[in-house]
Amino acid sequence: SQQGEEDPQALSIQEGENATMNCSYKTSINNLQWYRQNSGRGLVHLILIRSNEREKHSGRLRVTLDTSKKSSSLLITASRAADTASYFCAPLGGYQKVTFGTGTKLQVIP
Amino acid sequence: GAGVSQSPRYKVAKRGQDVALRCDPISGHVSLFWYQQALGQGPEFLTYFQNEAQLDKSGLPSDRFFAERPEGSVSTLKIQRTQQEDSAVYLCASSLRDRHNEQFFGPGTRLTVL
Repeated sequence: SQQGEEDPQALSIQEGENATMNCSYKTSINNLQWYRQNSGRGLVHLILIRSNEREKHSGRLRVTLDTSKKSSSLLITASRAADTASYFCAPLGGYQKVTFGTGTKLQVIP
Repeated sequence: GAGVSQSPRYKVAKRGQDVALRCDPISGHVSLFWYQQALGQGPEFLTYFQNEAQLDKSGLPSDRFFAERPEGSVSTLKIQRTQQEDSAVYLCASSLRDRHNEQFFGPGTRLTVL
């Protein structure tokens, strides 16, 4: 199976600061997706980046992908208290099933 | 509804009971996934359907777990003879085409086995 591993495990920042979290994976991918999970709820899809893309933006989100290093990063700019959640990456390729890592728990302090 | 729905939202079962968890995917979505999420962990893949065909059930932890999607729409995850270690949130997700697409998650069913 293909499992994304998120780093750091936990991150605490002040509102207005930027938050960066990283994802590493092991085998080749077709695309990589980032999801957010608020406490006690299902996951919400944030952004998808394809293997031939290096950077993608969506609102305050910026995702980069380095296939040579098998890594991705998610940057949230100008963080808000509502961004407090766990963030998971999902690397997808071939017929591999997706197994999420333990995620990065982000706390944004108002 | 516009999103994935799951029922019940909460289920308490006595050890040894059978439970059935329902998932209503987004209308027209071909793929459906079940995940198990323990407290403080990420979701663990259980099984994947494309229409009514169960293409991957390698994540099911034991033969007490069974999933079906007989008409390619609603799916049911059944757990027989529940054990305490089955306590978790069970998440269902659907996607428009195959597993490489964006997955839309339901709110989950929190199962507590006493």
